[in-house]
Amino acid sequence: DIQMTQSPSSVSASVGDRVTITCRASQGISSWLAWYQQKPGKAPKLLIYAASSLQSGVPSRFSGSGSGTDFTLTISSLQPEDFATYYCQQANSFLFTFGPGTKVDIK
Amino acid sequence: EVQLVESGGGLVKPGGSLRLSCAASGFTFSSYSMNWVRQAPGKGLEWVSSISSSSSYIYYADSVKGRFTISRDNAKNSLYLQMNSLRAEDTAVYYCAREGPVMVRGFDYWGQGTLVTVSS
Repeated sequence: DIQMTQSPSSVSASVGDRVTITCRASQGISSWLAWYQQKPGKAPKLLIYAASSLQSGVPSRFSGSGSGTDFTLTISSLQPEDFATYYCQQANSFLFTFGPGTKVDIK
Repeated sequence: EVQLVESGGGLVKPGGSLRLSCAASGFTFSSYSMNWVRQAPGKGLEWVSSISSSSSYIYYADSVKGRFTISRDNAKNSLYLQMNSLRAEDTAVYYCAREGPVMVRGFDYWGQGTLVTVSS
């Protein structure tokens, strides 16, 4: 099975900061990676699919990049509503796997 | 508007069984693969199972293989998860999620979740 890791596990940032989260797959997954945002008590929300495609309705300050085994999610200018936990998910194998999550909280 | 509504969660004793349902509306249910994803209290997301649009392809996480069964009824726009031999570690919020179109390969719509608690 494909394993996913994320770093950092948590990050403290201020409004307006640029935040970058890294996700690594245990084997190559081409560009089949998705990113989700989850707020406490809520269902996850799809932000990015196919590594770099922005899901409809998601603000353009979110961007994704990478292919193979290494991927990044970037929030260009952190907004108050962006404080949440972010998960990557590999979609190369039908045995989908999520990363452990990165919590973005207020500095 | 796409809606996914889970039901069937509750308190069950270890070794017991539970059947979760997910009612779908607002899209052509029979055209999409569907998934179950769970989240233990205070923990991350864990993919549980997926089923293709016509039920031809079914996959399970190793942690539930042999104990859980995913199914769907396209005539009723419903997804199910039969959970047997439940363990304490199965305690979680269970979400149903739609797998997006082929080139999306992500879960583009989620339900609100239903809580399953396995405890004596």
